[in-house]
Amino acid sequence: GAGVSQSPSNKVTEKGKDVELRCDPISGHTALYWYRQSLGQGLEFLIYFQGNSAPDKSGLPSDRFSAERTGGSVSTLTIQRTQQEDSAVYLCASSSLREQFFGPGTRLTVL
Amino acid sequence: GENVEQHPSTLSVQEGDSAVIKCTYSDSASNYFPWYKQELGKRPQLIIDIRSNVGEKKDQRIAVTLNKTAKHFSLHITETQPEDSAVYFCAASRVNRDDKIIFGKGTRLHILP
Repeated sequence: GAGVSQSPSNKVTEKGKDVELRCDPISGHTALYWYRQSLGQGLEFLIYFQGNSAPDKSGLPSDRFSAERTGGSVSTLTIQRTQQEDSAVYLCASSSLREQFFGPGTRLTVL
Repeated sequence: GENVEQHPSTLSVQEGDSAVIKCTYSDSASNYFPWYKQELGKRPQLIIDIRSNVGEKKDQRIAVTLNKTAKHFSLHITETQPEDSAVYFCAASRVNRDDKIIFGKGTRLHILP
């Protein structure tokens, strides 16, 4: 693939349900980021993976949020017991030393 | 850790005029400063970046300047056009350390007809 892909593009869920968001980074990129962006707001950092290092989880807003990156490639962001305030666009980005390439995002709506 | 401040949060300029967005950073070891543009409903995309070994870089109507001593860098857009309307994010990182990139909070630029 030519760029970062994310799935699903849209997710509507009910409050209290768990959701999984997927990110496929650019092949060979060692760094992978997850961000959350609420309507009209900036990029809220969630988590950062770099190679085989322990991930930087300092941006995760609560223990309901977790992420993993398998085999240094695909990443999954999991939100447990979703709340209405979790509604936002979740962006994934990958990079190799310099430019970050963003995916198209997953728009999450919690009813 | 690194902290990036960006100003203003909102900027309106008349079409054809220039726009300037400013950022400051806290970590003197940061050596890479990219700028991203996010159009409405789209993903952020890199428009220009600068390394700490240069003071200015230009690409057509956009330029970025860096003052390492003062730890600030700026984006300049000349002869603004309607398609320049977007949110712009500055960022800083230590690229040779693969450190986490830190973004500013963004500037919403409106180009007035």
